[in-house]
Amino acid sequence: EAGVTQFPSHSVIEKGQTVTLRCDPISGHDNLYWYRRVMGKEIKFLLHFVKESKQDESGMPNNRFLAERTGGTYSTLKVQPAELEDSGVYFCASSQGGLTNEKLFFGSGTQLSVL
Amino acid sequence: DQQVKQNSPSLSVQEGRISILNCDYTNSMFDYFLWYKKYPAEGPTFLISISSIKDKNEDGRFTVFLNKSAKHLSLHIVPSQPGDSAVYFCAASAYGNGNQFYFGTGTSLTVIP
Repeated sequence: EAGVTQFPSHSVIEKGQTVTLRCDPISGHDNLYWYRRVMGKEIKFLLHFVKESKQDESGMPNNRFLAERTGGTYSTLKVQPAELEDSGVYFCASSQGGLTNEKLFFGSGTQLSVL
Repeated sequence: DQQVKQNSPSLSVQEGRISILNCDYTNSMFDYFLWYKKYPAEGPTFLISISSIKDKNEDGRFTVFLNKSAKHLSLHIVPSQPGDSAVYFCAASAYGNGNQFYFGTGTSLTVIP
């Protein structure tokens, strides 16, 4: 069974540019999450999809961040325009949904560096 | 405001000895707790979990203890092995909170051969 895959693994962009991160969850997983970890800090929640609907986007830093999950399959996270403080590792995670006490399956992350 | 805290950024242990990683939380509504292990350049992988109806859960060399009154949990690894060297994250969630998980800052464990 394929795990959660993220693309690209690394991205280096200049301040003001646009970057789009992609996540393919485990097939059949309804729940998809985006998290971010800034070096040395906690893994911080950004948002949660249930199928194609945004269940909770309370962790999104500001309106420069836009997440989509068309058709309830893969998801994209766009940062436009990128700022220096957006640097960090962006993790995607998925879970099956409909169960109590589920666990999250994480991708390897996208290391974003904004210069 | 951080709801899950791991106050020890790093820990070094001799191979064969016990590793104890600690985690504190502030939200009394949390009822499900997990530990994740992360190697460099990889995503976190699930290690072990515990529900708030229990105070201990064991899986091989790994045991998680939960003290609800103190809002504290710990992960015990015994015996520690060099392959256990990784960053360990504690996470918590509350039933009915839409499956949102809160993570700590991680503890980097080094097991010395």
